[in-house]
Amino acid sequence: DAKTTQPPSMDCAEGRAANLPCNHSTISGNEYVYWYRQIHSQGPQYIIHGLKNNETNEMASLIITEDRKSSTLILPHATLRDTAVYYCIVFNAGNNRKLIWGLGTSLAVNP
Amino acid sequence: NAGVTQTPKFQVLKTGQSMTLQCAQDMNHEYMSWYRQDPGMGLRLIHYSVGAGITDQGEVPNGYNVSRSTTEDFPLRLLSAAPSQTSVYFCASSPVTGFGGYTFGSGTRLTVV
Repeated sequence: DAKTTQPPSMDCAEGRAANLPCNHSTISGNEYVYWYRQIHSQGPQYIIHGLKNNETNEMASLIITEDRKSSTLILPHATLRDTAVYYCIVFNAGNNRKLIWGLGTSLAVNP
Repeated sequence: NAGVTQTPKFQVLKTGQSMTLQCAQDMNHEYMSWYRQDPGMGLRLIHYSVGAGITDQGEVPNGYNVSRSTTEDFPLRLLSAAPSQTSVYFCASSPVTGFGGYTFGSGTRLTVV
């Protein structure tokens, strides 16, 4: 299974864009990049996923590099409620849908 | 839509006791799974199921049993609780095909003394 590398922590000012990087240099062609977040020990929440094209939904944007070895999750206007641990996961639907979780990035949004 | 419901939210057990953590979903998801989360570690997969009557082990299955008699329910049984099983347990579900994200329950905080 492809592994991911994320910075352990980041800060962001409220109202500014939060850009969370993820390295997944061993990703395979049929593996997707998923992002989840976990707010204060609640259950993880799905944010967005992508294969090779950039994706956007109501929560965030996902930018995947052309070689697919890294990606960036963008929260365009971070609020205090976005303070959470953000997990980048490489997902292979053929591997019995298992998700391999790392330690994620702890994002602190400051007023 | 309630999503994924876990009960109880908190539980304290004595070493050697058994108990069942309940998980129910109302989204008709075929795939269900149990994770545990410990401080300083990522979520670790305990058991999972791709449909009623089918279960399989994850990374840390020892000391836990599961069954899947219906699509909706996926209980996790601790056979003889040990302090090492003190953790936060999360249940998650998803469709078995396609690429939709998992839906997680709010968790059960278990302390074994």
